[in-house]
Amino acid sequence: AQSVTQLGSHVSVSEGALVLLRCNYSSSVPPYLFWYVQYPNQGLQLLLKYTSAATLVKGINGFEAEFKKSETSFHLTKPSAHMSDAAEYFCAVRGTTSGSRLTFGEGTQLTVNP
Amino acid sequence: GEEVAQTPKHLVRGEGQKAKLYCAPIKGHSYVFWYQQVLKNEFKFLISFQNENVFDETGMPKERFSAKCLPNSPCSLEIQATKLEDSAVYFCASSQGDSPLEKAFFGQGTRLTVV
Repeated sequence: AQSVTQLGSHVSVSEGALVLLRCNYSSSVPPYLFWYVQYPNQGLQLLLKYTSAATLVKGINGFEAEFKKSETSFHLTKPSAHMSDAAEYFCAVRGTTSGSRLTFGEGTQLTVNP
Repeated sequence: GEEVAQTPKHLVRGEGQKAKLYCAPIKGHSYVFWYQQVLKNEFKFLISFQNENVFDETGMPKERFSAKCLPNSPCSLEIQATKLEDSAVYFCASSQGDSPLEKAFFGQGTRLTVV
């Protein structure tokens, strides 16, 4: 079975600082990995996805993630945090069969301090 | 349009009452997924449909929960005899095709409060 683990349920950074949100996956086959963001009282918005075409994936809003097979990780980063980045972030893995579900991590709440 | 529409936004039910949630997927999308989010985290998969057929129901509680996706109607998720523990936000998502790389579009959710 595939799963993802997000290390740190809460991360707090200063505006302008580096954002690093950690995600490790468990999968017996090359996984399809995703990062989603959830703003208060909203649904999920896709930030980026790993498709095996490139290990460094660039997403929206200046976020990127690097797939590291040796570390089974897919950490999300942003060089400079903005106040508007404050939200809940979810890492997710999807099976490789047709129509398969997303399995989410526990989420990381990002706080950006002025 | 490019939006998954979920209704109602909020639903309050007394314990033991029935709750019915609706989801209109994006037109042309073949797959519909239901997730339950408790306490602002832990997205739990419930069920998925391929068109009107149940595709994966391994996450559905065996009792009290049922779901349908009928042609020309919104999909629905029904909870019979609600319990306090059913209080959660229920999200619906749809995707166009069957590739695992297909982007899943999420609705804004229905917040169910059981009192």
